[in-house]
Amino acid sequence: KAGVTQTPRYLIKTRGQQVTLSCSPISGHRSVSWYQQTPGQGLQFLFEYFSETQRNKGNFPGRFSGRQFSNSRSEMNVSTLELGDSALYLCASSLDSDEVNEQFFGPGTRLTVL
Amino acid sequence: AQTVTQSQPEMSVQEAETVTLSCTYDTSESDYYLFWYKQPPSRQMILVIRQEAYKQQNATENRFSVNFQKAAKSFSLKISDSQLGDAAMYFCAYRSESEGAQKLVFGQGTRLTINP
Repeated sequence: KAGVTQTPRYLIKTRGQQVTLSCSPISGHRSVSWYQQTPGQGLQFLFEYFSETQRNKGNFPGRFSGRQFSNSRSEMNVSTLELGDSALYLCASSLDSDEVNEQFFGPGTRLTVL
Repeated sequence: AQTVTQSQPEMSVQEAETVTLSCTYDTSESDYYLFWYKQPPSRQMILVIRQEAYKQQNATENRFSVNFQKAAKSFSLKISDSQLGDAAMYFCAYRSESEGAQKLVFGQGTRLTINP
């Protein structure tokens, strides 16, 4: 069974631009969570989607948004990019949302904002 | 809000020896879950071990075991017979039972180096 895939793997943008990152969960998984990883702040939860609905949201500004499609694939969008948005963005999938199933992480998308 | 603290930014150990990584957390909840994740240089996070707070018995997975002290809010990871492949960043993580959803709160991580 294929693992979690994220595209693109690397991205370079300039301040003020917007970006869309994609995450394809493991087949059959319906929950997708997003995390931001930076050297200073560590790993921080962005949001979780389950059955096309946002279930939980971390403490990030409204510039960070996401969605989930009927096939469980998820996208996150960051508008009006700032230098501080440079980070590794990880997504994780699990079977469902309420049960404490193992979360499987993707390789991440490395976003650099210049 | 829950917080997770890993006080050891870096640790090193000789191959085949035992190492213990520390983790403390703060929560007012009585039911929750704790995890150790490993992030090798390739960047893909892997679950190492999990512990349910309602279980008194410490979790064990092959060479990996935890020392869960609920009253002290401590959750350390012991790696026995360290191998070169154990070199990675290790993250301690907390998941609320009441909050639902798959939100994990992570510690800052411990970089583990294995010396041959």
